[in-house]
Amino acid sequence: NAGVTQTPKFQVLKTGQSMTLQCAQDMNHNSMYWYRQDPGMGLRLIYYSASEGTTDKGEVPNGYNVSRLNKREFSLRLESAAPSQTSVYFCASVRGLWETQYFGPGTRLLVL
Amino acid sequence: AQTVTQSQPEMSVQEAETVTLSCTYDTSESDYYLFWYKQPPSRQMILVIRQEAYKQQNATENRFSVNFQKAAKSFSLKISDSQLGDAAMYFCAYRGNYGGATNKLIFGTGTLLAVQP
Repeated sequence: NAGVTQTPKFQVLKTGQSMTLQCAQDMNHNSMYWYRQDPGMGLRLIYYSASEGTTDKGEVPNGYNVSRLNKREFSLRLESAAPSQTSVYFCASVRGLWETQYFGPGTRLLVL
Repeated sequence: AQTVTQSQPEMSVQEAETVTLSCTYDTSESDYYLFWYKQPPSRQMILVIRQEAYKQQNATENRFSVNFQKAAKSFSLKISDSQLGDAAMYFCAYRGNYGGATNKLIFGTGTLLAVQP
């Protein structure tokens, strides 16, 4: 049981390049989330998907798009990367409304 | 909007001693959950303990326990018999009742715990 997986683990981009961060969970969870972690700021919610077929903006959605491809997969896309998007990105999932979120191992992104 | 505050950026404890990490939060809701997550150098976010606001009894998980003071909006984490493996960043997090559709977590800025041998 792999839990929540993320690819890639580390990526370096140049300003203006695009890329997609992949997240998958094998726990049959309904809801999935993308957070970013910056020094001194904790984790902040970028986008979430409460259930398959729905997505909503979180606290810091600008510059990102998401796709809930199916129940297992939730991807985060940077269309034109900026140095301000240098961060560690975490995907998380949860089965039900009042249950615990499980996190992936994170993707470290460096935008030059 | 809800906020979570961790006022201790760094803490240090001797091995086998006890340490308490502080967390306060602001909310107008009466029904919510609180969490402590541990993030070791591997960056993996690991759930340490959770507390349901409607429960008066403080949650306990082995060496980890909380002091939940609902009226004071305080949620501290006590680590007893500290071990070297407890060294990590600890995040306090809040989840409220957002109309039933989401489980958004609001995180504090974290406390970096060092354990001295």
